[in-house]
Amino acid sequence: DAGVIQSPRHEVTEMGQEVTLRCKPISGHNSLFWYRQTMMRGLELLIYFNNNVPIDDSGMPEDRFSAKMPNASFSTLKIQPSEPRDSAVYFCASKGRSGNTIYFGEGSWLTVV
Amino acid sequence: TQLLEQSPQFLSIQEGENLTVYCNSSSVFSSLQWYRQEPGEGPVLLVTVVTGGEVKKLKRLTFQFGDARKDSSLHITAAQPGDTGLYLCADSNHPSGGYNKLIFGAGTRLAVHP
Repeated sequence: DAGVIQSPRHEVTEMGQEVTLRCKPISGHNSLFWYRQTMMRGLELLIYFNNNVPIDDSGMPEDRFSAKMPNASFSTLKIQPSEPRDSAVYFCASKGRSGNTIYFGEGSWLTVV
Repeated sequence: TQLLEQSPQFLSIQEGENLTVYCNSSSVFSSLQWYRQEPGEGPVLLVTVVTGGEVKKLKRLTFQFGDARKDSSLHITAAQPGDTGLYLCADSNHPSGGYNKLIFGAGTRLAVHP
């Protein structure tokens, strides 16, 4: 079975450009999460959705970050405009209705220069 | 705000050695999860512990949850190169978010050399 699929795997962009990260959760899962991982701050939850509805976006660092989930099989995390301090690995993860296991994708490695 | 401290930060050992890594919380865990993250991959759940004093075994890995539910340890017996990775502990942060708002420690980075 396919796991959580993220794209792109790697992206290098210039400061000020818009960045869009994409995620396809595991089929049948109803919770979707966006995490960010850096050496300085570790793994942090940015936002999560239940049944395509954003439930908690308190981890989103600032208004330059936005996330959408237009349907159960797709989500985006957008950064506009991007800054060098946004360089990190961004993980998407999903969870089914029951149980406590969150499944992570392989991550999108973002470098803003 | 809950803080999870993991120690040691880094550990480099030879194949066949035993090791223990620790996770301590500034407050009582709701429930605790251990993850392993291999280089270039996302974290993968190893175990969930809920009850104080609980011990769980996963092949060569033994997980202990402190009686007071504020600390945990992960012991690996006869480490192998395949055990290399970042070991993360996380609190489920009940009751506000169930398992939807995990709080992660900074992790222990383990390298096992052949």
